[in-house]
Amino acid sequence: GIQVEQSPPDLILQEGANSTLRCNFSDSVNNLQWFHQNPWGQLINLFYIPSGTKQNGRLSATTVATERYSLLYISSSQTTDSGVYFCAQGGGYQKVTFGIGTKLQVIP
Amino acid sequence: GAGVSQSPRYKVAKRGQDVALRCDPISGHVSLFWYQQALGQGPEFLTYFQNEAQLDKSGLPSDRFFAERPEGSVSTLKIQRTQQEDSAVYLCASSLTRTGETQYFGPGTRLLVL
Repeated sequence: GIQVEQSPPDLILQEGANSTLRCNFSDSVNNLQWFHQNPWGQLINLFYIPSGTKQNGRLSATTVATERYSLLYISSSQTTDSGVYFCAQGGGYQKVTFGIGTKLQVIP
Repeated sequence: GAGVSQSPRYKVAKRGQDVALRCDPISGHVSLFWYQQALGQGPEFLTYFQNEAQLDKSGLPSDRFFAERPEGSVSTLKIQRTQQEDSAVYLCASSLTRTGETQYFGPGTRLLVL
């Protein structure tokens, strides 16, 4: 199956800082999604982004499908951004595969 | 409903017991997924339904795991003869489309097998 690698595994930011999280894929991707898992375990869908760029407030994501990677940008980070960020691909007739996540801690 | 709901939220079972975990997806959502998440890991795919049809069950770890969605809405994940290694959070997600774009997750059921 498709391998999904995320980096960095851990990240500590001062409140207000910007960051970039990366997701690499071993093969062509399908249904690329980014999720945030908050400290209480709830997974929230941030973006469905099989290609191109999308923005939602302080968050934006870019997927370059031909080069098999996706980036999640967090600007002006806040303590509420803390948690684990996952990328995932697949769905429908293709098995869904999650990365191991990037654990983000934003400190005041 | 407003979102995906799961019950129970917490379940403690003695080794060897059978358990049933319920998922209520968002109304009208065609696709439904079950995942298992161990502590510190990403969700691992278990099985996928498109309406009432179970199209992929390749992630079920053993024949002790069984899932159904008989009327294409509510789904139940059943684990027979639970083992300690079954302890995990079980997550359910639903999607409006057949291809599983934009999945919405429930809060999960935390299962502890003693």
